[in-house]
Amino acid sequence: KNEVEQSPQNLTAQEGEFITINCSYSVGISALHWLQQHPGGGIVSLFMLSSGKKKHGRLIATINIQEKHSSLHITASHPRDSAVYICAVKETSGSRLTFGEGTQLTVNP
Amino acid sequence: KAGVTQTPRYLIKTRGQQVTLSCSPISGHRSVSWYQQTPGQGLQFLFEYFSETQRNKGNFPGRFSGRQFSNSRSEMNVSTLELGDSALYLCASRGDWAILYGYTFGSGTRLTVV
Repeated sequence: KNEVEQSPQNLTAQEGEFITINCSYSVGISALHWLQQHPGGGIVSLFMLSSGKKKHGRLIATINIQEKHSSLHITASHPRDSAVYICAVKETSGSRLTFGEGTQLTVNP
Repeated sequence: KAGVTQTPRYLIKTRGQQVTLSCSPISGHRSVSWYQQTPGQGLQFLFEYFSETQRNKGNFPGRFSGRQFSNSRSEMNVSTLELGDSALYLCASRGDWAILYGYTFGSGTRLTVV
């Protein structure tokens, strides 16, 4: 069992739909990151969370430390949101990041 | 301010050769970490350097090594390349106030071993 699991693996949506990507982890963490990776490989850090909720534009990230679960929401999705979204955790016992397998999001016009 | 710069962007090497990849962090960032991304294994942590010292190492063979210079620039080296080393290699830097600012990733070096 992976320490960080994401669901779904693949997600196809129509433009304008509300999207949710989930991340569950099994280790103690000091922070959870949501990353976005476009074709070509570059990774952009969207959020870093240690508790509660953060919002940036149409993106919202929440984390429940007790349940070891985080969600990334995209409101009013757009084709330019199409990318791989990756959840990564920084364990309390070290400085490394452990990654989920990613969610491939495709938003159709 | 400038982002994290990785060079080269693309590289083709032959089995058995060695390769050196470079990462220049954001100015002022003292921590640099390296990651390997392959279709089969996803993103995996290689190592992290802080102020020229390796602080943490992932589960990779000794053929993978790295170092960090006094200006925080980092290099990673892979010796005796194998076909399975073909991957996107990403580095990320973070500042001392990482709790606030998190990681900034470079665009990666895509290594193909033939």
